[in-house]
Amino acid sequence: AQKVTQAQTEISVVEKEDVTLDCVYETRDTTYYLFWYKQPPSGELVFLIRRNSFDEQNEISGRYSWNFQKSTSSFNFTITASQVVDSAVYFCALREMANSGYALNFGKGTSLLVTP
Amino acid sequence: ETGVTQTPRHLVMGMTNKKSLKCEQHLGHNAMYWYKQSAKKPLELMFVYSLEERVENNSVPSRFSPECPNSSHLFLHLHTLQPEDSALYLCASSQETFSGNTIYFGEGSWLTVV
Repeated sequence: AQKVTQAQTEISVVEKEDVTLDCVYETRDTTYYLFWYKQPPSGELVFLIRRNSFDEQNEISGRYSWNFQKSTSSFNFTITASQVVDSAVYFCALREMANSGYALNFGKGTSLLVTP
Repeated sequence: ETGVTQTPRHLVMGMTNKKSLKCEQHLGHNAMYWYKQSAKKPLELMFVYSLEERVENNSVPSRFSPECPNSSHLFLHLHTLQPEDSALYLCASSQETFSGNTIYFGEGSWLTVV
């Protein structure tokens, strides 16, 4: 069963628009970690953020912000004033503490295209 | 400069060839991973090494053979591959295998099997 769902397969926005990428996860663990990665066309997965299950504070880093809500099992990512360089595939991932092996459970990714 | 480097970046091989993918991490980490990314599929964990010992083999066919000679280097030896093995192979590392550690990825090796 898919533990991380990114319902938006593709999003297209015009530069300077704000865009939110959704991530919904599923786990029975009380301790777990959530991640966002960016994958530009070159292929490298670039780490953006890590959040543990006990820290529900939202985080802002420049134009990026993340909204973690345990009540809805969501960890959404917002890019403010998008730029062409933000075009990439974005992955949300879950790593569970107990009985999970070593895998990062990735969603299928959301492809973001920002046009001038 | 990325902390995890992979070579070659692109590889085309025939089904009867033997080739290897190389990964080196410059982050002082103790755990290394191979992931496979196929078109329209979630990233799949293939192998995990902790302190040079393989700790997970995620039901990967024997035509893929990993090797970890030290904590900084990881290889993926390839032989008699199938066209469906064409994918992006990503190497990664983390401080330890503990689930709270961030996993850092390399740029990947694009493999095409013809």
